[in-house]
Amino acid sequence: QVQLVESGGGVVQPGRSLRLSCAASGFTFTTYAIHWVRQAPGKGLEWVAVISSDGRSKDYADSVKGRFTISRDNSKNTVFLQMNSLKTEDAAIFYCARSWGSSAYPFDYWGQGTLVTVSS
Amino acid sequence: QSVLTQPPSVSGAPGQRVTISCTGSSSNFGAGYDVHWYQQLPGTAPKLLIFNNNNRPSGVPDRFSGSKSGTSASLAITGLQSEDDADYYCQSYDSSLGDSVFGGGTKLTVL
Repeated sequence: QVQLVESGGGVVQPGRSLRLSCAASGFTFTTYAIHWVRQAPGKGLEWVAVISSDGRSKDYADSVKGRFTISRDNSKNTVFLQMNSLKTEDAAIFYCARSWGSSAYPFDYWGQGTLVTVSS
Repeated sequence: QSVLTQPPSVSGAPGQRVTISCTGSSSNFGAGYDVHWYQQLPGTAPKLLIFNNNNRPSGVPDRFSGSKSGTSASLAITGLQSEDDADYYCQSYDSSLGDSVFGGGTKLTVL
């Protein structure tokens, strides 16, 4: 069955870095784009970033552009989110989700999420 | 402030019908981009509920339906059940932003 498993969350001080991972299984990884979506405590969903199936195309929300970098290793069926210069407002549950093709397509499977806490 | 606007909350009694609106603009729904809906039960990840305006993934009951017209979309739930008590989000693509966008979410309370 399709599975997306996030890891790498934790407590980090403002200004520091963290790298999240999203390990995929149960489907042909190289045919899907992967997104990161976050949810601050008690708030709604916010799209963060997307990487195309071949890794050549990437896009970011304005709120993280220049600080976050998305990448993927298709040999390991894993997507990464490198988060630098973290701010307190980046604290959230981070979910990875897959979509067929571009960002206009639905996110049909989601991981369970990993919690990022940014606090001094 | 979300690009897609949803009411913060709706409620209904068991067995009733409720609708959740999602208002967009000429750069998303009006430009022809589809709406997708997600259900998030308390403490869990979002789950795809409706895709491409009015299609249900396998396993989603036909009590859930969606529609889109012009710059607005809506999710209808008939025969409300206690397990429908959840947050619901609409999502689309916005050509002005060049990004996926979500509505602010609607909390459905089954009375």
